[in-house]
Amino acid sequence: GIQVEQSPPDLILQEGANSTLRCNFSDSVNNLQWFHQNPWGQLINLFYIPSGTKQNGRLSATTVATERYSLLYISSSQTTDSGVYFCAVERNQGGKLIFGQGTELSVKP
Amino acid sequence: GAGVSQTPSNKVTEKGKYVELRCDPISGHTALYWYRQSLGQGPEFLIYFQGTGAADDSGLPNDRFFAVRPEGSVSTLKIQRTERGDSAVYLCASSLKRLAGGFGELFFGEGSRLTVL
Repeated sequence: GIQVEQSPPDLILQEGANSTLRCNFSDSVNNLQWFHQNPWGQLINLFYIPSGTKQNGRLSATTVATERYSLLYISSSQTTDSGVYFCAVERNQGGKLIFGQGTELSVKP
Repeated sequence: GAGVSQTPSNKVTEKGKYVELRCDPISGHTALYWYRQSLGQGPEFLIYFQGTGAADDSGLPNDRFFAVRPEGSVSTLKIQRTERGDSAVYLCASSLKRLAGGFGELFFGEGSRLTVL
């Protein structure tokens, strides 16, 4: 099956810093989504981005489908950005998303 | 409802018992998914429904696990003869089908934490 690798596994930032999280996948995909899991466990959808670039406030994402990777950019980080960021992909259009292991982000005040 | 609702939020049971976990998706979402998440891991796919039928149940670990969605809305995940290794957070999500094909953003519930003693 398709493999999803996220890096780095852990990241500690000072409030106000910028960061880039990476997601590599082993095969072509029709669906790629980024999620944030907050410290209470709630998973929030950030982006649906199988290709191209999207921005939402301080967050933006870029997927280069031909090179099988996606990047999530967080600018001017805040303590509320802390949590685990997951990338999830689907190879076909069948609805089965495969999640990476996540990047755990801690933003210090 | 406004979001995906899961009950119970916490369930503690004894090894060998039967458990049911319920998911009420976002109104109008045709696709419903069950995932399982262990501590420190990403969510692991179990099954998804398109309407009333299970479109892909390849993630169910064994025949002790079963899920239904009889009217195309609420779903129940059923676990028979629970084992300690079944302890995890069980997550439900729903989504719309995209006009261009495939499925859109997944919206997750808060999960049901199952502990098997």
